[in-house]
Amino acid sequence: IAGITQAPTSQILAAGRRMTLRCTQDMRHNAMYWYRQDLGLGLRLIHYSNTAGTTGKGEVPDGYSVSRANTDDFPLTLASAVPSQTSVYFCASSKSHGNEQFFGPGTRLTVL
Amino acid sequence: GEDVEQSLFLSVREGDSSVINCTYTDSSSTYLYWYKQEPGAGLQLLTYIFSNMDMKQDQRLTVLLNKKDKHLSLRIADTQTGDSAIYFCAESRQSGAGSYQLTFGKGTKLSVIP
Repeated sequence: IAGITQAPTSQILAAGRRMTLRCTQDMRHNAMYWYRQDLGLGLRLIHYSNTAGTTGKGEVPDGYSVSRANTDDFPLTLASAVPSQTSVYFCASSKSHGNEQFFGPGTRLTVL
Repeated sequence: GEDVEQSLFLSVREGDSSVINCTYTDSSSTYLYWYKQEPGAGLQLLTYIFSNMDMKQDQRLTVLLNKKDKHLSLRIADTQTGDSAIYFCAESRQSGAGSYQLTFGKGTKLSVIP
């Protein structure tokens, strides 16, 4: 692994289903972030983690949860997906909060 | 409302200079960033400027910061078709005690006409 990876690349999901988007980084960065990107709205922060064991809410946290059990992984879970969660999801990491962020390639999620 | 603002579209001819503008609101921002997003890809850091600097140049890229007006610009010299992408301005903003986050603009889509 080099940098930051996300899985899956894309997913079509039925409304009401549970889904976990995976994010892994091998840069030993302390801080990690989840954004969603929607046309006309730019990037909006969903949740973040400044260090392993801690998480915080961003601008649009409702319907999403995260965990940060270790430094490398930061999964994003949709407990019961709704169509409004159709979006492109980007994971990012930084050496510490406020530093330049490195982005993953994104996960395109469609909720029907 | 949108705290970091950018125009949504810019179209230039190949070989000309492109100037992408951004305004932000938090005068305490420590760093300001420019990211580039190519179609179907994630965001890639292009350059950044520390808040105590007025200008930063890196090859074809020039960043100008007017802290008084809270205005940031990115100039791309000799624009090429490969520069076609969406460019995001972002500011590093304090979100709590000792905690900082990036706030992004909506992005400027640069189209380069051959």
